[in-house]
Amino acid sequence: EAGVVQSPRYKIIEKKQPVAFWCNPISGHNTLYWYLQNLGQGPELLIRYENEEAVDDSQLPKDRFSAERLKGVDSTLKIQPAELGDSAVYLCASSSGTVTYNEQFFGPGTRLTVL
Amino acid sequence: QKEVEQNSGPLSVPEGAIASLNCTYSDRGSQSFFWYRQYSGKSPELIMFIYSNGDKEDGRFTAQLNKASQYVSLLIRDSQPSDSATYLCAVMAAGGNNRLAFGKGNQVVVIP
Repeated sequence: EAGVVQSPRYKIIEKKQPVAFWCNPISGHNTLYWYLQNLGQGPELLIRYENEEAVDDSQLPKDRFSAERLKGVDSTLKIQPAELGDSAVYLCASSSGTVTYNEQFFGPGTRLTVL
Repeated sequence: QKEVEQNSGPLSVPEGAIASLNCTYSDRGSQSFFWYRQYSGKSPELIMFIYSNGDKEDGRFTAQLNKASQYVSLLIRDSQPSDSATYLCAVMAAGGNNRLAFGKGNQVVVIP
């Protein structure tokens, strides 16, 4: 079974530029999460989708971040414009709503560097 | 106060010894507790979860939960060099919103 797929794996941009990350969850997983992980810190939830609905986006900085999950499968996270402080690893995870203990499977992440 | 705290610095243990990691959480209503392992440059992977007070063992790993003290721990017995990683404690709040709050992690280095 294929895992969570993310692209690109690395991205280097200049500040004020836009950037987008893509995630393909595990087949059949209806819940998708975007996390931000700074160096030396644990992942922090940005947004959670149940199918195509964003059910928890309270931690998403909506002035510059946006996300979508059209058709309830793939998802895209966008930053526009990027700031120096956005340099981090962006992790996508997915889980199946039928799993009682809510194991979240993480993708390899996208490492963003903003210059 | 952070939701999940892991305050210990890097832990160095000799091969074959027991590594002990601790985690405290602030939401007394939390129901589910998880330990994730993250190798350098890799993504987190679930290694243990626990719901009930007491101990849960899985191979060389034991998770311990004390809800009264709001405390979760992870023991790694017979530590191996392959256990060298960062261990993240995660807590899911009550209410079924499926949101995990992670601690900052504890780095473990197993010395051959």
